[in-house]
Amino acid sequence: EADIYQTPRYLVIGTGKKITLECSQTMGHDKMYWYQQDPGMELHLIHYSYGVNSTEKGDLSSESTVSRIRTEHFPLTLESARPSHTSQYLCASSEGDRHEQFFGPGTRLTVL
Amino acid sequence: GQNIDQPTEMTATEGAIVQINCTYQTSGFNGLFWYQQHAGEAPTFLSYNVLDGLEEKGRFSSFLSRSKGYSYLLLKELQMKDSASYLCAGLDSNYQLIWGAGTKLIIKP
Repeated sequence: EADIYQTPRYLVIGTGKKITLECSQTMGHDKMYWYQQDPGMELHLIHYSYGVNSTEKGDLSSESTVSRIRTEHFPLTLESARPSHTSQYLCASSEGDRHEQFFGPGTRLTVL
Repeated sequence: GQNIDQPTEMTATEGAIVQINCTYQTSGFNGLFWYQQHAGEAPTFLSYNVLDGLEEKGRFSSFLSRSKGYSYLLLKELQMKDSASYLCAGLDSNYQLIWGAGTKLIIKP
């Protein structure tokens, strides 16, 4: 069973606030990902990491940043939230040459 | 460009069989995934095909034809709990997943 956690699960904040979405996995996976998903739409990759101190931007233009200081932890930060950031954010991880991704429960963000 | 196409919504009857189709176009190809996603929840892995043919796993089977850029997910003996969205995703040459928008499957009694 996959052990990947995200906090908070739900967040409602005002425009201009700085927020950090947390993601942790206990499986020792080297690769981690952040996706954004709107209802009924495809997942869009916003950031990924292939290991400690390695981060890359995905296909979706994003005003967020990530860090990977520890293998198990991959937080995503929005410096100044806007209503256009309202969405579900999914964190995932995978191991080595196995490309199956395990997902966390997601954070549903609403920016007013 | 890269693209994954699958029907938006399908309806089936409990106990029946349903086939969800997916066509893909990716830059390079390293396999095709199917995930299940219940409303408000995270996607969970169902299957991975990298070679042509049918892979069977209990009530679920997945088929791949690389020459046609085509896959399907076959669900047998449908149960009400199978009501969910089914996501098709292709693994491109950079080993990134390209996702379809998902097929919402509605099961009726």
